[in-house]
Amino acid sequence: AQSVTQLDSQVPVFEEAPVELRCNYSSSVSVYLFWYVQYPNQGLQLLLKYLSGSTLVESINGFEAEFNKSQTSFHLRKPSVHISDTAEYFCAVSLRGGYQKVTFGIGTKLQVIP
Amino acid sequence: EPEVTQTPSHQVTQMGQEVILRCVPISNHLYFYWYRQILGQKVEFLVSFYNNEISEKSEIFDDQFSVERPDGSNFTLKIRSTKLEDSAMYFCASSELPDREYNYGYTFGSGTRLTVV
Repeated sequence: AQSVTQLDSQVPVFEEAPVELRCNYSSSVSVYLFWYVQYPNQGLQLLLKYLSGSTLVESINGFEAEFNKSQTSFHLRKPSVHISDTAEYFCAVSLRGGYQKVTFGIGTKLQVIP
Repeated sequence: EPEVTQTPSHQVTQMGQEVILRCVPISNHLYFYWYRQILGQKVEFLVSFYNNEISEKSEIFDDQFSVERPDGSNFTLKIRSTKLEDSAMYFCASSELPDREYNYGYTFGSGTRLTVV
């Protein structure tokens, strides 16, 4: 079975500073990797995903994540955060091939400080 | 952009009562799912549904739970006799059959917060 570890439950960061949210996964087979974001009182939104190909994937709002197979990591980064990035971020994994259940990490709350 | 719609957004029910959570998936999607998030805990998979039958279910999805697609548009989760520990945010999701890998991905609804008192 696959699992996801998000080491940081909360990350406070000043506005316009860079941020990295860490994610490590465990699986004996190849997986798909995702980052979801949950804004206050809202549902889960897909931020970005790694399926295959380039190991660096980007979102439309400036986040990026890099798949590192040797370190089994999929850390999320943004070079300059904005107040509106305040949310909870979930790393997730699923098996490849067809629609499989998604296994989520416990989430990291990003608090952007003005 | 197409959305997965869940109703109600918040439901309060007494312990032992039956509750039905409703979801309208995106119209051309073929796979449907329920997940739940107990306050302060992980989002957990409950069940997946395809071609009018359950594809996979977790240990959480016991005999108290059932899913149904009654009319071709709604997808419901029923809890027969609610317990206090069923209090959680319940998320519905849907996905289409991908013709290419880059189409792969779920769309989640905004959730129903179930409070059992």
